[in-house]
Amino acid sequence: GAGVSQSPSNKVTEKGKDVELRCDPISGHTALYWYRQSLGQGLEFLIYFQGNSAPDKSGLPSDRFSAERTGGSVSTLTIQRTQQEDSAVYLCASSLVSGADTQYFGPGTRLTVL
Amino acid sequence: GDSVTQMEGPVTLSEEAFLTINCTYTATGYPSLFWYVQYPGEGLQLLLKATKADDKGSNKGFEATYRKETTSFHLEKGSVQVSDSAVYFCALSLIQGAQKLVFGQGTRLTINP
Repeated sequence: GAGVSQSPSNKVTEKGKDVELRCDPISGHTALYWYRQSLGQGLEFLIYFQGNSAPDKSGLPSDRFSAERTGGSVSTLTIQRTQQEDSAVYLCASSLVSGADTQYFGPGTRLTVL
Repeated sequence: GDSVTQMEGPVTLSEEAFLTINCTYTATGYPSLFWYVQYPGEGLQLLLKATKADDKGSNKGFEATYRKETTSFHLEKGSVQVSDSAVYFCALSLIQGAQKLVFGQGTRLTINP
């Protein structure tokens, strides 16, 4: 079956612009996660959705970052007024249920802020 | 807080060598433990997992045993291949509370023919 998909695969933007990153989870997966992979910080958790609710937003680095999920499926991560330190690979994962269930990762979106 | 520590990389081995990548963890609760692998140009893939003490996860010739007494989950393979070259991440997830994966820093493994 189809795995987790993310778009775009690459995004180059100028400092100060807003960007939207999209994640399509595996069909039927109720839990959705966003992570960020950067050279200096490794793999960091950003936010977790159970259905359309986000019970854990503790990893969002600033109020420039926000995310939403609609219909219990697609999620969008928005970064406003991008900064160079936002450059990273943004990974989305989904799991059938929350908790310690296996998370399946998408290929990621590589964001470069010039 | 919860954390995972992996052995420093990069690790370079010859084909058919024995591999160990050390992983230890600190957790406030009772975690599940995972090894994920990232092959060049590809996304993160689950390699193996263990959900309780003394469980052994295994896949593709790799093994790791959940050792609660030493808070460890070391990855081993008896005979590595060039195709095993990748970055390996140890991670934990708590059943209660935070529903996220906490990753180690990753270990880059290169296998030479």
